[in-house]
Amino acid sequence: GAVVSQHPSWVICKSGTSVKIECRSLDFQATTMFWYRQFPKQSLMLMATSNEGSKATYEQGVEKDKFLINHASLTLSTLTVTSAHPEDSSFYICSAREWTVNQNIQYFGAGTRLSVL
Amino acid sequence: QKEVEQNSGPLSVPEGAIASLNCTYSDRGSQSFFWYRQYSGKSPELIMFIYSNGDKEDGRFTAQLNKASQYVSLLIRDSQPSDSATYLCAVQIPGAQKLVFGQGTRLTINP
Repeated sequence: GAVVSQHPSWVICKSGTSVKIECRSLDFQATTMFWYRQFPKQSLMLMATSNEGSKATYEQGVEKDKFLINHASLTLSTLTVTSAHPEDSSFYICSAREWTVNQNIQYFGAGTRLSVL
Repeated sequence: QKEVEQNSGPLSVPEGAIASLNCTYSDRGSQSFFWYRQYSGKSPELIMFIYSNGDKEDGRFTAQLNKASQYVSLLIRDSQPSDSATYLCAVQIPGAQKLVFGQGTRLTINP
């Protein structure tokens, strides 16, 4: 299957600082990427859909000014958690959608575990 | 009614037996169906996808789709302890870019 690289895998930061997470599709072009958040023992929660060259579409209840998404190229999307607070501590996971003939498949990155002190 | 429903489990199956995971969906127009496996503390990993009614086999895994009943299942034959994980059913609903995920079924294979 296709490979999606996510970096960093772990980040610890102080409250009030900003953190950037990168998501790259390594062997395919991804016009659409997705950002999820998952709290311990809970389901995946979609935060936003990121389309190359356009503004991200955020799910209801997700603050777009706090979670900045930039999808500047066909292989890279970034999520910036601005002014992070302890309640933002979570597991953030990106996925990238690969289009092939008659197929539309999402592949996930390994995730980023964010701890805000 | 949730768009995609799974029994959250836990589902316990003895090693070597067949594990059967089930998923129902509400949008009759859905076309694409996916099974992901998620180990504790890890991100989801694609196991199988299915688009057509019937069975699709890949090694020890078989996905079954019944669009009339709006039902998709995953069978795992010769279950191994390494199959212990949460299995997520995902559906591509018409007109949407995103996948809609079920809440996942936690599967435990007992040696």
